[in-house]
Amino acid sequence: KAGVTQTPRYLIKTRGQQVTLSCSPISGHRSVSWYQQTPGQGLQFLFEYFSETQRNKGNFPGRFSGRQFSNSRSEMNVSTLELGDSALYLCASSPGTQSNQPQHFGDGTRLSIL
Amino acid sequence: GDSVTQMEGPVTLSEEAFLTINCTYTATGYPSLFWYVQYPGEGLQLLLKATKADDKGSNKGFEATYRKETTSFHLEKGSVQVSDSAVYFCALRGDNYGQNFVFGPGTRLSVLP
Repeated sequence: KAGVTQTPRYLIKTRGQQVTLSCSPISGHRSVSWYQQTPGQGLQFLFEYFSETQRNKGNFPGRFSGRQFSNSRSEMNVSTLELGDSALYLCASSPGTQSNQPQHFGDGTRLSIL
Repeated sequence: GDSVTQMEGPVTLSEEAFLTINCTYTATGYPSLFWYVQYPGEGLQLLLKATKADDKGSNKGFEATYRKETTSFHLEKGSVQVSDSAVYFCALRGDNYGQNFVFGPGTRLSVLP
């Protein structure tokens, strides 16, 4: 079974630009979550989608948004990029939203803001 | 809200030493508990899980027991290898509707030959 695929792996942008990251979950998985990982803040939850609906949202500004498509693939968008948005963005999928279902992670997109 | 606390490290051990990484949690109800491992340049990989009190999760020589009375889920391995060098994350997901995963800050482990 193919794992979670995130594209692109690396991205370099400048301040003020916007960026879209893509995540393809494991086949059959309907829940997709996004996280931001930085050395200083650790792993921070951005949002979770299930069946095209946002179920949860972390404490991030409105510049961070996401969506999920009918095939469960998900995208996240960051507008008006700031230097502090430089991070590893991780996507994780699970079959559903039950507490006993682990999340499976992709290798992430490393975003660098110049 | 729910939270996870774990020793932040770094933890440095010699090969074949015994490993313990402490993890305690705060949560209502009966959360499921997980340990994940992250190798350099990669995402997190599920190491083991336990979904109810007194369950023991185990994988690749690692094990952890869900202790509800002490709200703990400590990770142990009897004999570590250099290849176990990585960052380890303790996590939980509550059993109430709408709860997302909560991760600890991660513990960096370095194993020296």
